[in-house]
This record gives sequence, structure tokens and C-alpha cells, in this order.
Amino acid sequence: GAVVSQHPSRVICKSGTSVKIECRSLDFQATTMFWYRQFPKQSLMLMATSNEGSKATYEQGVEKDKFLINHASLTLSTLTVTSAHPEDSSFYICSASTGTGGETQYFGPGTRLLVL
Amino acid sequence: GQSLEQPSEVTAVEGAIVQINCTYQTSGFYGLSWYQQHDGGAPTFLSYNALDGLEETGRFSSFLSRSDSYGYLLLQELQMKDSASYFCAVSLFSGSARQLTFGSGTQLTVLP
Repeated sequence: GAVVSQHPSRVICKSGTSVKIECRSLDFQATTMFWYRQFPKQSLMLMATSNEGSKATYEQGVEKDKFLINHASLTLSTLTVTSAHPEDSSFYICSASTGTGGETQYFGPGTRLLVL
Repeated sequence: GQSLEQPSEVTAVEGAIVQINCTYQTSGFYGLSWYQQHDGGAPTFLSYNALDGLEETGRFSSFLSRSDSYGYLLLQELQMKDSASYFCAVSLFSGSARQLTFGSGTQLTVLP
């Protein structure tokens, strides 16, 4: 159990375009989802925390107008990278938690974004 | 703010035992988790400690000392497939779910 999927797994786009990444919890309801970004050989950096039905909470330094997050249901959160630029190229990973105080976050397989 | 320190690299041979240490400075600490990440993959959960002491799960064990703000991951009977990055992460409360702050990761290389 506790499977999280992400789509797409890999995307290449031109500079200036927008890219949407979906994160789904397949067999449980995720009241909270987290979005991370990871550059090569670096750690996971939390971008934002998303609760179902409410606005996402962004970490300091993360532009909320550039990284749009929608947590429309208990099983789906989306991250849209608007007007992507080469410096946005990274590995984007979501995780989901049941929000019942459990300590485990279940991670999706990640989306590798390359902006040309 | 939060900060975690762990060694950047560790090398060991198959069958050996290796310990990866993690020290942290944080507020609102709830527990320490460990995650494994293979190249190109997503992190997978290994263990969690909320209380002082040792937690054992198969070949992997994790230890926490809250008074020392210190923990470690112990990997026994190393196998080649254990070559990966290992991250410690502190749990912080964030609304209804615990937010994770990750360390910089330790690259473990297991040699034949």
C-alpha cells in the first residue's frame, strides 16, 4: 500500500512554456502533499506544503506565482511551473502524508524537467 | 532555522558494517527519519525514531539521542545494492502533517 505516482516522469520543454506535474496517491487519501526540488548531487529542498482544499504554503525563496500548486482532491495535487527557464531544470518530487500524525511521507517517483 | 550535518561520502566493502551519523539543530523537533535514494530514483523510507534508543529493521538499524541532537543509521551485512545516497531528515510540525527537512545526504559506495 501507500503508493504515490507522478506524471510525467520526464519532460523536456522550451524556455517560456508552462509544465504541469501531477502527483497522485493511489491507495490512500492524502490530506497533505509536499513538493520538493532536487538538483544533481544535492538534497531535497522543500518547495511547498499543500493541504487539500486550501492554499499551499510556500517555503522562503519559492515564488508562488511561478510554481502554482493545486490540491483539488484528497488524491491529487498538481505543480505547474509557469514560464519555465533553464534554471528551473531539476528533479521534482512529491510526497504524500495521511496527516494523521504518522511520520512517514510516501514519495512519488519524481519528474525530471529539462528546460531548453 | 534548521540544520543537519552528515558525512558526504562513505565507502565500505560487501559484508561490512557501516554507520552514518547525523547531527541536527532545529526547533519543534518531533523525530528523525532516514531515507535511501538510488541514482535517478525517489527517496524510500527506511526508519523513524521519535524516542531515544535503537530501532531495528532487518539489516538496518537507527539510533536517536534527543539530548545530544544526534542519530545514526547502521547498515549491516552490506550488499552491493546498498550503494545509494542516505538522507537523515528531521520531522517538524506543519499543520496536520509533519514537515521534513533533509540533510545533505551521504553517498555510500559498497565495494566488492
